[in-house]
Amino acid sequence: EDQVTQSPEALRLQEGESSSLNCSYTVSGLRGLFWYRQDPGKGPEFLFTLYSAGEEKEKERLKATLTKKESFLHITAPKPEDSATYLCAVSRANNLFFGTGTRLTVIP
Amino acid sequence: DTEVTQTPKHLVMGMTNKKSLKCEQHMGHRAMYWYKQKAKKPPELMFVYSYEKLSINESVPSRFSPECPNSSLLNLHLHALQPEDSALYLCASSHESRGYEQYFGPGTRLTVT
Repeated sequence: EDQVTQSPEALRLQEGESSSLNCSYTVSGLRGLFWYRQDPGKGPEFLFTLYSAGEEKEKERLKATLTKKESFLHITAPKPEDSATYLCAVSRANNLFFGTGTRLTVIP
Repeated sequence: DTEVTQTPKHLVMGMTNKKSLKCEQHMGHRAMYWYKQKAKKPPELMFVYSYEKLSINESVPSRFSPECPNSSLLNLHLHALQPEDSALYLCASSHESRGYEQYFGPGTRLTVT
């Protein structure tokens, strides 16, 4: 059975304190792993797509990496505006299957 | 700015009401989706339309009725809802052969009283 597990469930960081979010997956025939950012009461915003182990993508303070079993979202020197829920998802039957997310709070 | 728009932003309805949620995308996509999201939970897929035809229905109760009038419009008709149906309803679209790269609208916050 396909599974996507994100950890930690919640993370509080001081502004400038770098950290990583984890997404572990068990999916047969992975066709892609996706990271989204979601602000409260809004729709998810697409961040990254990773297709193969070893692949890395960067955007501003965010960097996503992928291995055969998990993906990491590294946040370097975060700012308060990075506070959001970060969702990872895997493709399943040409659709998305989401993990439960990590709620990130960055304190000034 | 999102190219997937949803109306209304907020909706309060009684259990006997009939209402509709609307979604429009301007990205030229031929696949559109409805998701339901409860507080602190991930989005859950409800329906998928591909080329205006319903292709996936994830065992959603019949009080939710989707409609896709054309490739850029998607409606969700609501009737006789229950309080537990209160949630954020999200619309998304994608290229028809790349259903995993989805672009979401801002959602409609639905409250059933």
